[in-house]
Amino acid sequence: DAGVIQSPRHEVTEMGQEVTLRCKPISGHDYLFWYRQTMMRGLELLIYFNNNVPIDDSGMPEDRFSAKMPNASFSTLKIQPSEPRDSAVYFCASSYYRGKRTQYFGPGTRLLVL
Amino acid sequence: AQKITQTQPGMFVQEKEAVTLDCTYDTSDQSYGLFWYKQPSSGEMIFLIYQGSYDEQNATEGRYSLNFQKARKSANLVISASQLGDSAMYFCAMRDFQTSGSRLTFGEGTQLTVNP
Repeated sequence: DAGVIQSPRHEVTEMGQEVTLRCKPISGHDYLFWYRQTMMRGLELLIYFNNNVPIDDSGMPEDRFSAKMPNASFSTLKIQPSEPRDSAVYFCASSYYRGKRTQYFGPGTRLLVL
Repeated sequence: AQKITQTQPGMFVQEKEAVTLDCTYDTSDQSYGLFWYKQPSSGEMIFLIYQGSYDEQNATEGRYSLNFQKARKSANLVISASQLGDSAMYFCAMRDFQTSGSRLTFGEGTQLTVNP
């Protein structure tokens, strides 16, 4: 079975540019999570969706960040305009609402903003 | 207050020996779940093991077991017969259903190094 798929795996961009990160959750999962990982702040939950609806976006740092989930198999996290402090690894994870609700993570996108 | 505390920033173990990674948690919920994830140097987050607050037995998955002591609010990960490939960062996480819903709260992690 395919796991969570993220693209791109690496992104290098210049300050002020728009960055779009993409995620395909595991088929059948109805929760999708976006995390950011940095050395300073560890793993932070940015936003999560249930059945394509944003449930909690309290972790989104500021208005430069936005996330969408137009359908059950696709989500995007957009940063516009990007800043050097946005450099981090961004993970997408998905889970199923029944049972343990274990979150399965994608491989992550390493973002470097110059 | 920290909800998940991992007091060991780094641990070392000899290959083939067992090692315990500590995790304590704080919640007032009666129903919660505890998770351990492994993050090797390649960066991916790999789910290892789960323990539910109502589970009567300690969880086991192959060489991984969870030493769950509910009264002490601890959920330590035990890795038996360590292998070189076990060298990684290990994160403890919790979901307390009433307080946090589907959110996971992660600890700061323990870096495990397995020596040959």
